[in-house]
Amino acid sequence: EAQVTQNPRYLITVTGKKLTVTCSQNMNHEYMSWYRQDPGLGLRQIYYSMNVEVTDKGDVPEGYKVSRKEKRNFPLILESPSPNQTSLYFCASSPGDRASYEQYFGPGTRLTVT
Amino acid sequence: GQSLEQPSEVTAVEGAIVQINCTYQTSGFYGLSWYQQHDGGAPTFLSYNALDGLEETGRFSSFLSRSDSYGYLLLQELQMKDSASYFCAVRLSGSARQLTFGSGTQLTVLP
Repeated sequence: EAQVTQNPRYLITVTGKKLTVTCSQNMNHEYMSWYRQDPGLGLRQIYYSMNVEVTDKGDVPEGYKVSRKEKRNFPLILESPSPNQTSLYFCASSPGDRASYEQYFGPGTRLTVT
Repeated sequence: GQSLEQPSEVTAVEGAIVQINCTYQTSGFYGLSWYQQHDGGAPTFLSYNALDGLEETGRFSSFLSRSDSYGYLLLQELQMKDSASYFCAVRLSGSARQLTFGSGTQLTVLP
């Protein structure tokens, strides 16, 4: 089954404790992206990647890091999480010829930072 | 900069037709996408308009007017399962690899 998977689905952590949210897609998509969703603010892009070793900042990159060492994986790293990073996070992927406008989303990761 | 505006809530009855509008202000523009999201679930792609006019996919249609910086999503023969949030999103010519989303319209379908 073609899909985007994220782990963990739910995470409660404390301020300053480094964490990684994994994202993997099995569709051989070139484009991958991370979003956060907060009530009333829609989806805001954190980082995106056009292909392996190519990443770029989205609209809200502060406090986040990403890497793209393999085509299928695009982990999101929070080096020192803070309470304002409490949010619902989505990973997404897209074929290269439809980069960005038609995206396939993972199930989401609900993160709480206390 | 860019901004997208869409109504925060729309209510309609089962079987009716509803239109969700989206206006945008951008310095450059490739096209307009629409996504559906059920409560807490993953957004799913509905449609994309790069050119002016109407695109039809089953009960859903999407329209774009580049000259008016305006688009809409039209849902026909509404069903209870259509209750969800609907997001418009723009693909900007200055950053064609980014998708910027509106804040979403919560559609409630009443029996």
